[in-house]
Amino acid sequence: RKEVEQDPGPFNVPEGATVAFNCTYSNSASQSFFWYRQDCRKEPKLLMSVYSSGNEDGRFTAQLNRASQYISLLIRDSKLSDSATYLCVVNGMDSSYKLIFGSGTRLLVRP
Amino acid sequence: NAGVTQTPKFQVLKTGQSMTLQCAQDMNHEYMSWYRQDPGMGLRLIHYSVGAGITDQGEVPNGYNVSRSTTEDFPLRLLSAAPSQTSVYFCASSYVGGDYTFGSGTRLTVV
Repeated sequence: RKEVEQDPGPFNVPEGATVAFNCTYSNSASQSFFWYRQDCRKEPKLLMSVYSSGNEDGRFTAQLNRASQYISLLIRDSKLSDSATYLCVVNGMDSSYKLIFGSGTRLLVRP
Repeated sequence: NAGVTQTPKFQVLKTGQSMTLQCAQDMNHEYMSWYRQDPGMGLRLIHYSVGAGITDQGEVPNGYNVSRSTTEDFPLRLLSAAPSQTSVYFCASSYVGGDYTFGSGTRLTVV
């Protein structure tokens, strides 16, 4: 079983739609959670950290469910510029340094 | 503040040649790591370091060497390039438990 699993997509949505991605992780002791965004042929960039109580940054909302070991990302009012791959990231089993990256969920926002 | 700087951005090697990919960060991060990303795939950890003088292997270390003589620099050496090492290489750094900052990547082709 992979340490971090994501639906690869692609999710193809119209502008203005709301879209949600889920991610599951295997290490119940994980303490650090993030969502990264990666544009085609570019480096991954931090989108937002994920906190236990859930957190929001503009149109983006992240939720953490420790009991079920999953993380979600909700994007409201999708823009064309949101088209990218979204990576779920969790710290690894053997180290608080090592972050484990999911393979990513691809989002395509169409006009 | 430059963040994480990778050089070169592009490189073409012949099979059997050796080369060093450079990575430098100016954020005084303890942790540095190297990933490779193949088309349509996720990030795979090659080597990582938790501080100067300390390195360890990731999931795909064969054919690569690293060293960490200073906090700032973490070069990746390809010993004898093979076509299977054609990939995009990303360097990343972080504080303990923090999110990663990535360099812009090196696109390597081995012919």
